[in-house]
Amino acid sequence: DTAVSQTPKYLVTQMGNDKSIKCEQNLGHDTMYWYKQDSKKFLKIMFSYNNKELIINETVPNRFSPKSPDKAHLNLHINSLELGDSAVYFCASSPGSWGAEAFFGQGTRLTVV
Amino acid sequence: GEDVEQSLFLSVREGDSSVINCTYTDSSSTYLYWYKQEPGAGLQLLTYIFSNMDMKQDQRLTVLLNKKDKHLSLRIADTQTGDSAIYFCAETPTGGGNKLTFGTGTQLKVEL
Repeated sequence: DTAVSQTPKYLVTQMGNDKSIKCEQNLGHDTMYWYKQDSKKFLKIMFSYNNKELIINETVPNRFSPKSPDKAHLNLHINSLELGDSAVYFCASSPGSWGAEAFFGQGTRLTVV
Repeated sequence: GEDVEQSLFLSVREGDSSVINCTYTDSSSTYLYWYKQEPGAGLQLLTYIFSNMDMKQDQRLTVLLNKKDKHLSLRIADTQTGDSAIYFCAETPTGGGNKLTFGTGTQLKVEL
């Protein structure tokens, strides 16, 4: 069974559209994250949730809105997509408040055209 | 600041040792990590070290930490073609809780 699963794996969409990426973890972890990896492979945290509560919001445009309906799910909704949003988005989870044992999903490659 | 720097590329022959280096600026880092990313895949945690340690060994992997120079290295002994990947160092600063700050990544290429 996949520990951290994201859907879809690939997403191609036009500028201005609204899209969502879903993430689920079956590890029983309390903390979930969204990271963005750009075309140069640079990884940066976007959001962190602990038990459905927002802990970290790293200067991400408010077009990005995470939603955590329960501690096993953290979805990412993006409004009014822009070309610069093209990237690979990774969901991750960890058992506690430390990133040490973070388990990552396979990533969602978003291409905005 | 929270800059974490790595060299971009490293090429080694199969069977040789690889050493991937990382420098960081946040002296309050409490944990430092190495992650591996294979093509088209997510990140896999390889190992981590507490900031009060100098060295940690785990099978073919050896992590060295020079806290004075803020320098972290990952040595892979007997490098195999399956080790070809991007390697990221990362840190969790004191008070940073669950936020991982990643380095720029080093692309390791293992040649036959």
